[in-house]
Amino acid sequence: DAGVIQSPRHEVTEMGQEVTLRCKPISGHNSLFWYRQTMMRGLELLIYFNNNVPIDDSGMPEDRFSAKMPNASFSTLKIQPSEPRDSAVYFCASSLGQGGVEKLFFGSGTQLSVL
Amino acid sequence: AQKVTQAQTEISVVEKEDVTLDCVYETRDTTYYLFWYKQPPSGELVFLIRRNSFDEQNEISGRYSWNFQKSTSSFNFTITASQVVDSAVYFCALSEAQGNKLVFGAGTILRVKS
Repeated sequence: DAGVIQSPRHEVTEMGQEVTLRCKPISGHNSLFWYRQTMMRGLELLIYFNNNVPIDDSGMPEDRFSAKMPNASFSTLKIQPSEPRDSAVYFCASSLGQGGVEKLFFGSGTQLSVL
Repeated sequence: AQKVTQAQTEISVVEKEDVTLDCVYETRDTTYYLFWYKQPPSGELVFLIRRNSFDEQNEISGRYSWNFQKSTSSFNFTITASQVVDSAVYFCALSEAQGNKLVFGAGTILRVKS
């Protein structure tokens, strides 16, 4: 079975540009998470969906960040406009059941560099 | 609020040595879940173990073992006879049953030298 699929693997963009990160969770999983990893702040939960509904977006840094899950097999994380401080690895993860109490399956991540 | 502390930033050992990675957590919930994840150089996080707050039995899986002690709010991870392939960043994480939010510690970098 395919795992969590993220695209692109690497993204280099200039400050001010819009960036869209994509995620396909494991089929049948009903929880999806977006995490950001930086050296300074470690792994931070940005937003969590359950059955395609955003449950907790308290980790979204500011209005420049938005996430959607239009259906059970696809989610996007958008940054508009991007800034150099957004440079990080962004991970998508999915799980069966509700929330972070179950085992999470992570994608390979998207390495974002904002110049 | 929930919190996970991994005080060891980096550990270096020589192959075949045993190594213990420490994890201390804070939570007000009586029901919670503890995890360990491994992040090898390839970058993808890999699940290792999940424990709920009502199960304090230690667990052994091959060269890996975990010691859960509620009295000290610790969930330590030991690798016996370490190998170079164990080199990775190891994360301890906590999820409260109420909040459903998985919070990670800062991670411990383990370097195993041959």
